Amino acid sequence: NAGVTQTPKFRILKIGQSMTLQCAQDMNHNYMYWYRQDPGMGLKLIYYSVGAGITDKGEVPNGYNVSRSTTEDFPLRLELAAPSQTSVYFCASSYSMGGGREAETQYFGPGTRLLVL
Amino acid sequence: GQQVMQIPQYQHVQEGEDFTTYCNSSTTLSNIQWYKQRPGGHPVFLIQLVKSGEVKKQKRLTFQFGEAKKNSSLHITATQTTDVGTYFCAGGRTGGGNKLTFGTGTQLKVEL
Repeated sequence: NAGVTQTPKFRILKIGQSMTLQCAQDMNHNYMYWYRQDPGMGLKLIYYSVGAGITDKGEVPNGYNVSRSTTEDFPLRLELAAPSQTSVYFCASSYSMGGGREAETQYFGPGTRLLVL
Repeated sequence: GQQVMQIPQYQHVQEGEDFTTYCNSSTTLSNIQWYKQRPGGHPVFLIQLVKSGEVKKQKRLTFQFGEAKKNSSLHITATQTTDVGTYFCAGGRTGGGNKLTFGTGTQLKVEL
């Protein structure tokens, strides 16, 4: 299994441009997440999905959009890139059978480093 | 909203010294997980604690979950250069779905 994969690894955008960060997992996990990590900081949840066709906002959703048409893929769309979106973006996935009280272990991809100039 | 703070933010130790990072949540947690992120890498799961007062060990690492399930700690005995990285706690909340709130992280540097 490749686990969680992300493309691209690194990208430079100009202000106002748009792009899609790709994320895929081959573990048949139902939950997927997008986080951003600013230098020296923790992880902030942008969006998450509990299954194909279902997405919801996290802590910092403004300026981003997501879709989940399949179990495997969870792309993150940036519209009108701004310097404040310069960050490292991590995609993660987890599996939950539902009904549990505890959050399950998350498996992270290698990240996409984005620079907006 | 829920906040999870970690202290210290940075720690430099000499190889062989011990290291502890503390994690405090503003709300009661259903469980807590610990992750390690090597420089330039991605977070990797270390362990999960679920029960009040739980203590778990992994070789030189000892993890504790507070009695009130609002705090946790990670202690590393006799640090090695391979311990270098940032350690994050992440709390789950009952009724919070499968989401985790990550702590601010503690960056550990180990000098020879």
